[in-house]
Amino acid sequence: DADVTQTPRNRITKTGKRIMLECSQTKGHDRMYWYRQDPGLGLRLIYYSFDVKDINKGEISDGYSVSRQAQAKFSLSLESAIPNQTALYFCATSGEGGLATQYFGPGTRLLVL
Amino acid sequence: AQKITQTQPGMFVQEKEAVTLDCTYDTSDPSYGLFWYKQPSSGEMIFLIYQGSYDQQNATEGRYSLNFQKARKSANLVISASQLGDSAMYFCAMTPANSGYALNFGKGTSLLVTP
Repeated sequence: DADVTQTPRNRITKTGKRIMLECSQTKGHDRMYWYRQDPGLGLRLIYYSFDVKDINKGEISDGYSVSRQAQAKFSLSLESAIPNQTALYFCATSGEGGLATQYFGPGTRLLVL
Repeated sequence: AQKITQTQPGMFVQEKEAVTLDCTYDTSDPSYGLFWYKQPSSGEMIFLIYQGSYDQQNATEGRYSLNFQKARKSANLVISASQLGDSAMYFCAMTPANSGYALNFGKGTSLLVTP
């Protein structure tokens, strides 16, 4: 079984709808991250969390919110989806230690119409 | 702000040959990590190799090696004996110690391995 899972893998939604992307991990890592990838660009950080009580905004947090329900679960919400949030979304995890490797989930392809 | 630059949008290499993918970075932090990830057409991000800023030796992982030149702020990925399955996007990324350890990514290089 995969160490980092994301659901759904693909989603089509309409402008203005609220949508939640979920991430679960079995690696026992404390740190979790949400990134988005747009064509021709690298990944950009949306939010990150060092533990259940520590959540921080990333480079492009506007229009998004997150919830760290447990050490193993980190959800990303789009409160009112808009077309320019169409992207590939990745969850990642890493262990403690400043420069620990981040391991990525398979990604969620989101299309906002 | 830290910046990662990958100047090669696309590269071609013949099967069994070696290829170097360029990456330069800009940071004032003394402590940082450099990473390379592979993204095949299926979309997942696969970790390849890591280099710490204080590491004395260049990192190697199988056919992957990282040519780390700290003074020049470059961290090029070398793939030896290319295989058709190496065709993918390759991303260089950096995590400075004072940024919450989040990754800053370059825009990637598309590698095509030809028979």
